[in-house]
Amino acid sequence: GAVVSQHPSRVICKSGTSVKIECRSLDFQATTMFWYRQFPKQSLMLMATSNEGSKATYEQGVEKDKFLINHASLTLSTLTVTSAHPEDSSFYICSASGLSNEQFFGPGTRLTVL
Amino acid sequence: DAKTTQPPSMDCAEGRAANLPCNHSTISGNEYVYWYRQIHSQGPQYIIHGLKNNETNEMASLIITEDRKSSTLILPHATLRDTAVYYCIVRVAGGNQGGKLIFGQGTELSVKP
Repeated sequence: GAVVSQHPSRVICKSGTSVKIECRSLDFQATTMFWYRQFPKQSLMLMATSNEGSKATYEQGVEKDKFLINHASLTLSTLTVTSAHPEDSSFYICSASGLSNEQFFGPGTRLTVL
Repeated sequence: DAKTTQPPSMDCAEGRAANLPCNHSTISGNEYVYWYRQIHSQGPQYIIHGLKNNETNEMASLIITEDRKSSTLILPHATLRDTAVYYCIVRVAGGNQGGKLIFGQGTELSVKP
């Protein structure tokens, strides 16, 4: 299947700083990328959908000014958690979808905010 | 909200078949049934999907009832590496629905030696 990577796999930061997470589709062009968040012992929660070259569409309750999403190319989307706080500590997962419309998931990024 | 209902947990003996049920009584005619699994601290992995016919691939079989209100994922010979949370999701494939996957709570499958 198609390969999606995320970087970094783990990040620890101080409260108040911003953190950028990259999601790349390695062997296909991703017209749409999705960002999910997962807290311990819980299911994945969709945060936003981004189409290449367009503004992201955020799910209800997700602050667009806090979670900045950029999808500038067909192989790269970034999620920036601005002014991170301990409650933003979570497992962030991206997925990418191309012409087949199937979604392929990245391995996830573990964010810990101290 | 997720449109599927799954048991929260199941056990299975290694080497035996694991049968994971899913109820999706409000499924629409253009919605497919998808199955993903998530091994601890990893991203979800696609397993199989189907519309109304039974499907089989190298990982699993998917049995969908005739009324499409429920389905069963079958892992024919479970191994310890199949221990994971299994998610059943209904989703419109293609079109302009955005392809969103809405995850429910899933079934935590424990394969025991």
